[in-house]
Amino acid sequence: KAGVTQTPRYLIKTRGQQVTLSCSPISGHRSVSWYQQTPGQGLQFLFEYFSETQRNKGNFPGRFSGRQFSNSRSEMNVSTLELGDSALYLCASGPNAYNEQFFGPGTRLTVL
Amino acid sequence: TQLLEQSPQFLSIQEGENLTVYCNSSSVFSSLQWYRQEPGEGPVLLVTVVTGGEVKKLKRLTFQFGDARKDSSLHITAAQPGDTGLYLCAGARGTNAGKSTFGDGTTLTVKP
Repeated sequence: KAGVTQTPRYLIKTRGQQVTLSCSPISGHRSVSWYQQTPGQGLQFLFEYFSETQRNKGNFPGRFSGRQFSNSRSEMNVSTLELGDSALYLCASGPNAYNEQFFGPGTRLTVL
Repeated sequence: TQLLEQSPQFLSIQEGENLTVYCNSSSVFSSLQWYRQEPGEGPVLLVTVVTGGEVKKLKRLTFQFGDARKDSSLHITAAQPGDTGLYLCAGARGTNAGKSTFGDGTTLTVKP
């Protein structure tokens, strides 16, 4: 089975812009979670989708949003980018929202 | 609030040595995962433990889940340079594995 794929792998944006990141989960996995990883804060949970519904949400401002499509692919959007949004954004999928998650390689976002 | 604390934060050892890293919490988790992450890549799942007192072995790696399901340890025997990386533990409650809480990780360097 192919692993979790994320596109793009690298992205450079400027403050105030918006960005959309994409994640394709492992075939058959219905749960997709998004995390932000920074050197100072570690891995922070953004949100989780299961069968196109947002199941859980972390403590991030409303500028961070996401959605999941019927084929389980997911996108996350960040609007009005700030310098502090520079991070590695990781997507993880799981077979049934229980226990294990499998991560993609991440999208490295740099905000200038 | 950091729910999972990992120690030590950094560990540098010589090839062939043994080591143990710890993951502690005041909260009970229904499952706990260990991941290894290399720079610029997503975390790779090593193991999931779900039963208090459970011990799992993966070649030279031994994982243990505390009896009260609040803590875990990872022991590596005869470390090799290929074991170098960031080791992360993550805890999930109930069926909310899609919303895992991650520790800050232990950065392990194994010198040849």
